[in-house]
Amino acid sequence: DAKTTQPNSMESNEEEPVHLPCNHSTISGTDYIHWYRQLPSQGPEYVIHGLTSNVNNRMASLAIAEDRKSSTLILHRATLRDAAVYYCILRDTAGGTSYGKLTFGQGTILTVHP
Amino acid sequence: KAGVTQTPRYLIKTRGQQVTLSCSPISGHRSVSWYQQTPGQGLQFLFEYFSETQRNKGNFPGRFSGRQFSNSRSEMNVSTLELGDSALYLCASRRGQGDYTFGSGTRLTVV
Repeated sequence: DAKTTQPNSMESNEEEPVHLPCNHSTISGTDYIHWYRQLPSQGPEYVIHGLTSNVNNRMASLAIAEDRKSSTLILHRATLRDAAVYYCILRDTAGGTSYGKLTFGQGTILTVHP
Repeated sequence: KAGVTQTPRYLIKTRGQQVTLSCSPISGHRSVSWYQQTPGQGLQFLFEYFSETQRNKGNFPGRFSGRQFSNSRSEMNVSTLELGDSALYLCASRRGQGDYTFGSGTRLTVV
């Protein structure tokens, strides 16, 4: 499985933007970039995903580098409720041994200060 | 709409016993996956089921098994429990190739 590298932790102040980086230099052409987050005492929650183009939804934006070797999850205005562990995951859509599974790394612990 | 429901929420078992955990997916979701989460290993994939068939399996010993019923509900079983099996067990469901919706998990403690 292609691997991702994320910083162990990041901090932000409330109502400020947060940029969470992810490196995935071994990404293949069939890998989608997914972000999930896990709030305390809950299961992971889908945030956003993309393949090549930048993506926006109500929760966040995803900026993908032109060579696809890195991406950045952008929270436009962090709130205290955004404090969580954020996971950047490459999801292989080509099938094979990666079918149906998400390979989680250690993720980035985001702390949001009031 | 109802989310992914896992039962029980908490469980305490003794070494050597076996345990069965249950997962009810979101209505219409036919794929169910199971994950184990521990402080040391993080989130690790156990297996995924679709249409009552196991489609993929992670690197866990044969003591870990699962099944899926015709209504898409799934169970996972762990036999001969070890202390190291203490973990949060998470179930996730999805529709087709869509994204995963996770339950809140079952916290298993083996003593």
